[in-house]
Amino acid sequence: NAGVTQTPKFRVLKTGQSMTLLCAQDMNHEYMYWYRQDPGMGLRLIHYSVGEGTTAKGEVPDGYNVSRLKKQNFLLGLESAAPSQTSVYFCASSFTGGNQPQHFGDGTRLSIL
Amino acid sequence: DAKTTQPNSMESNEEEPVHLPCNHSTISGTDYIHWYRQLPSQGPEYVIHGLTSNVNNRMASLAIAEDRKSSTLILHRATLRDAAVYYCILRDGTGTASKLTFGTGTRLQVTL
Repeated sequence: NAGVTQTPKFRVLKTGQSMTLLCAQDMNHEYMYWYRQDPGMGLRLIHYSVGEGTTAKGEVPDGYNVSRLKKQNFLLGLESAAPSQTSVYFCASSFTGGNQPQHFGDGTRLSIL
Repeated sequence: DAKTTQPNSMESNEEEPVHLPCNHSTISGTDYIHWYRQLPSQGPEYVIHGLTSNVNNRMASLAIAEDRKSSTLILHRATLRDAAVYYCILRDGTGTASKLTFGTGTRLQVTL
């Protein structure tokens, strides 16, 4: 079982470049989430989706955009990368909201120079 | 969101029980207590959750105080693979998206 798969695992960008992080889940989950984790801190929610075609802002959405065109995929975009966006990005999915456990990928380590 | 307080770090010997405490004095009636853990270089992993009664699963047990202002995650026999950061999180059970709000957690070290 693949679970939640994130692509790429590592990436280095220059300031101002754009890129898209891909999250794919094979568990038929409705809800998907993007978090970021900075050194020594807990995860913070960037954006989330409660179903195909829907997205919503989380705690720290500025500088990011997302799309959920297919149920199994959730894309996170950086239009103009900034050094402050250097972080580890985690995608998660859950069957629904409420108390359903969230299943996480192994993260994308992104450095912006 | 109601907040939780956990010790920054704890140590345990392998094959000994581990009790990880969490204080949540401002918990509301609809908040569930969730625990996740994060192993090195991995994403967080769900461990267990509960509302009022103690809960057991194959990974751990969750003991909830009668007034619900504190709880304890119990690992019955710690192994080296249990070394991780453990997060205690409150989630409103009535919410729809119900995001996870992570604090800094407790870093558990397990030694031989």
